[in-house]
Formats: sequence, structure tokens, C-alpha cells
Amino acid sequence: KQEVTQIPAALSVPEGENLVLNCSFTDSAIYNLQWFRQDPGKGLTSLLLIQSSQREQTSGRLNASLDKSSGRSTLYIAASQPGDSATYLCAAQNPNSGGYQKVTFGIGTKLQVIP
Amino acid sequence: DVKVTQSSRYLVKRTGEKVFLECVQDMDHENMFWYRQDPGLGLRLIYFSYDVKMKEKGDIPEGYSVSREKKERFSLILESASTNQTSMYLCASTPREGANEQFFGPGTRLTVL
Repeated sequence: KQEVTQIPAALSVPEGENLVLNCSFTDSAIYNLQWFRQDPGKGLTSLLLIQSSQREQTSGRLNASLDKSSGRSTLYIAASQPGDSATYLCAAQNPNSGGYQKVTFGIGTKLQVIP
Repeated sequence: DVKVTQSSRYLVKRTGEKVFLECVQDMDHENMFWYRQDPGLGLRLIYFSYDVKMKEKGDIPEGYSVSREKKERFSLILESASTNQTSMYLCASTPREGANEQFFGPGTRLTVL
């Protein structure tokens, strides 16, 4: 059974700092890994998706990497801004016995960027 | 622009009521999902559907049912609401082919009194 862990649960950084959020997973036979942002009381917004054959994806100030062999993914945020404050979740997709994709979410890392 | 909408942002119901939560996507996606999200437990899959009139149980289907009569619409039904079903409910959709990127709706915060 896939387990996804995100450490730390919360992180507070000063504005302008570069930071890394971590995601680890136990079953490396993933189909893809997706990073999301969630603002309080809102739904999840997709940030980046890395397919199993890829090593990284970039979008603006965000860069996500994937190392299947070690069961790890990182989300790098460059030059953080107060507007980046949110909870960041990662989710791993694995094939399941029914032929569908089974998605396992981490609990998330709550990021606060202090002005 | 990709869009998933949910019928209500906030809902307050009484114990024993039948509750309908609706989700609509405009991306022609085959797969649709219902999750609930609770503090410390993360997102847990209730039901999913991979085609019209098809449904599969997720990890926590007890107390819930679903309906998918049209490709774009996936409804979650609480047959007899209970206080332990107070939660944030999130709908998502993905295409069958390709990277299977998940797109989420804004969520419904349900409170059962």
C-alpha cells in the first residue's frame, strides 16, 4: 500500500528566501506525482505534474523533481513571496489491481512566508 | 480554461437528512472522483467513476452513494447524514488518457448538526 509523507508539517520563512518542500513515497512504481496548492477553505490547485519517465518539471518560480529510486520528490520555490503562503500537497498515482489509477495524498506542508 | 464546479461552497444539514452534493466538469473527462478532507487525515477517496453510469468504491464508501447519469456530472449522496460526515468534500476529474492530471473543484464545507 502506498504511503506518502510530507515533512515538515509547517514551515515559516522570510520573504525572498528560496525553499524546498519534501515529499516521500514508499511504492516507487508510480505513474506520476503531482504537486498541489491549497488555500484555506478552498479546493486544490494543480501546480506541477511529473510523469514517471521525467526527472523534473518547471513553472515560473516553481521546480519539482522526482527520484523514483529513492522514493522522493521535492518542490523548490524560488524567491518566496507572501502570496505563496498556503498548504502544499503532493500526490502519487499508482496503477491498482482494477486497472485504474490509485491516488495517495500526503497531509501537506503549511507554508507561511513572512513579509 | 479547465473548470470543475461544485453546487455549494457551504452547506448545513441536520442529522438524518438526505444530502446531495453535485459536481460538474466542462473538460469532457471520463474519470471523476469524490474525496473528503479532514484535519490530520488528509484526502480520502469515497467513490470514483470512470464512465457514465459506472462507479467504484474508494477507501471510505460507507454512508455514501453516487450517481453519474451524464459524463459531465457526478453526484455524491449522503443517504442519512450523520455528524461524523461533517467535512470538506472535494470533487476532481481526470482524462482517461495522457498524464492523468487531476483537476479539483472549490470544495463544499458540509456541517451536519
